[in-house]
Amino acid sequence: NAGVTQTPKFQVLKTGQSMTLQCAQDMNHNSMYWYRQDPGMGLRLIYYSASEGTTDKGEVPNGYNVSRLNKREFSLRLESAAPSQTSVYFCASTPVGRVLEGYTFGSGTRLTVV
Amino acid sequence: AQSVTQLGSHVSVSEGALVLLRCNYSSSVPPYLFWYVQYPNQGLQLLLKYTTGATLVKGINGFEAEFKKSETSFHLTKPSAHMSDAAEYFCAVSEVYPGGYNKLIFGAGTRLAVHP
Repeated sequence: NAGVTQTPKFQVLKTGQSMTLQCAQDMNHNSMYWYRQDPGMGLRLIYYSASEGTTDKGEVPNGYNVSRLNKREFSLRLESAAPSQTSVYFCASTPVGRVLEGYTFGSGTRLTVV
Repeated sequence: AQSVTQLGSHVSVSEGALVLLRCNYSSSVPPYLFWYVQYPNQGLQLLLKYTTGATLVKGINGFEAEFKKSETSFHLTKPSAHMSDAAEYFCAVSEVYPGGYNKLIFGAGTRLAVHP
């Protein structure tokens, strides 16, 4: 099925470990986004990529890095995980110039840092 | 900058009762407004959207929302709640930038519980 695929679905890390969350979309969308979801705070934008080759910080970028590998893939890296990064992470994509279509979201990665 | 406020983090209704989830936004330009639904352990699914034109917007699963510019509101309603409506609902406003890309700004969410 077409859409946004995130891997892994679940992950437990120890404080200080690193990991990369993977995201791929097959809808030929230009823009991709990483959000984190925490109880009572909704979804907060971590980083986004308006188009292939560009990335920008969102609302809560500290402790994260991203790579827009190609048009399909947008990865999120935690270099040194902290308990405060325990969250559910969502990747999303949207075509440029077609705001009305809204975003397509992946099913999320549930990350626990102990 | 645009922002979204959802009044009530938890709403509980009886099956068959009216559902009303409140959303207010701030925007210096005509907004694009969205409601998303998130069922347990799933991603977000677009419920409905407002762009321009008709202020009453119909979405999936019997939901609708009315855009009221004078009140800067976009409340979500459903005449009769069903048990399957239990989920978390997010209101969002879109910021559009030169070049055509956009960012969604989300409210904190409202968890809807439906009891028999």
